[in-house]
Amino acid sequence: GQNIDQPTEMTATEGAIVQINCTYQTSGFNGLFWYQQHAGEAPTFLSYNVLDGLEEKGRFSSFLSRSKGYSYLLLKELQMKDSASYLCAVMDSNYQLIWGAGTKLIIKP
Amino acid sequence: GAVVSQHPSWVICKSGTSVKIECRSLDFQATTMFWYRQFPKQSLMLMATSNEGSKATYEQGVEKDKFLINHASLTLSTLTVTSAHPEDSSFYICSARDGQGAQETQYFGPGTRLLVL
Repeated sequence: GQNIDQPTEMTATEGAIVQINCTYQTSGFNGLFWYQQHAGEAPTFLSYNVLDGLEEKGRFSSFLSRSKGYSYLLLKELQMKDSASYLCAVMDSNYQLIWGAGTKLIIKP
Repeated sequence: GAVVSQHPSWVICKSGTSVKIECRSLDFQATTMFWYRQFPKQSLMLMATSNEGSKATYEQGVEKDKFLINHASLTLSTLTVTSAHPEDSSFYICSARDGQGAQETQYFGPGTRLLVL
């Protein structure tokens, strides 16, 4: 079966760095997405990785290793507004999105 | 974890036809489901909130007569794109809400690709 795993909840301190991991097992791979979702709002696109390596975009970076079925989202210089759920989703060989359950990130002062 | 399915996965249709997309929560009851539209590498755009047994709430700019939503049961919501045109071609994603308040979790479907010729 297809499966996406990410931690349910993480807590970090304002100004610090946090890494949210995502492991996947899917039938085929056409890219991995990270979204940020604040409560009551639609998911906001953060990143898309289809090749191995690290993609940096401001305070956020996303890493992919296709051979390991692994990705992480790295958030630097954490701000209180970064408190949200972070969703990992993989597009399979049929171009369907397989979603992780999301990681709730709590930022403390 | 909870599973949300969508059917069909792919739709190719002629301009002017209507297309129905189903969203089902497979192992939980969802009083609220959401319909999104996604363009490549962009954020999901919320189209409407579907509440079981009542009318859907549409976001500003979404035509309710064009995108008909029916949430007839606690496990099924349908989105019908009426008189589809090429500009309606997109990736439509639904989600279903499980739980309430702090225990609330939103589960997303795999998406339906619509191509209108």
